[in-house]
Amino acid sequence: RKEVEQDPGPFNVPEGATVAFNCTYSNSASQSFFWYRQDCRKEPKLLMSVYSSGNEDGRFTAQLNRASQYISLLIRDSKLSDSATYLCVVSGDSGYALNFGKGTSLLVTP
Amino acid sequence: DTGVSQDPRHKITKRGQNVTFRCDPISEHNRLYWYRQTLGQGPEFLTYFQNEAQLEKSRLLSDRFSAERPKGSFSTLEIQRTEQGDSAMYLCASSLQDEKLFFGSGTQLSVL
Repeated sequence: RKEVEQDPGPFNVPEGATVAFNCTYSNSASQSFFWYRQDCRKEPKLLMSVYSSGNEDGRFTAQLNRASQYISLLIRDSKLSDSATYLCVVSGDSGYALNFGKGTSLLVTP
Repeated sequence: DTGVSQDPRHKITKRGQNVTFRCDPISEHNRLYWYRQTLGQGPEFLTYFQNEAQLEKSRLLSDRFSAERPKGSFSTLEIQRTEQGDSAMYLCASSLQDEKLFFGSGTQLSVL
């Protein structure tokens, strides 16, 4: 079983829509969780960290459910510029390696 | 430019040749990571340095791969006897203690 699993999509949504991505992880000892964004042919960039209490950054909300080993990202009022691949990232056993999911592709259309 | 820089941006080599890539992290970052990414996949962890110490290597990593960070600043990744399956984007990232990774633009390797 892969350490981090995501639905690859693609998710095609109209501008203004709300879209949610999910991610599951296999290592119950993982301590750190992140969402990264990757544009086509570019390097990944940190979108936000994910905390047990949930956290919000503008239109983006991330939540962590440790019991179910599940992480989510909600994007409200989608913009064309949100089109990208969203990567779920979870720390490994050692606490050093950060393991990436395959990514979920989002296309926001006019 | 104070971001992570990688050199070269592109490398084309013949199967069986050795290649070496360089990464210069953000100057105050003590953590340095190497990842590999192929089309349609997320970045795959290769190795991790804290200052000059290599603290973790992927169990899946072939012994043809070796990385160094001799003075705790820049790092090199060498692939010996390259194979076609080594073709990928090689990404370097650095961070402080908070684990928030800053990636370089990567080195695209093509093995013919």
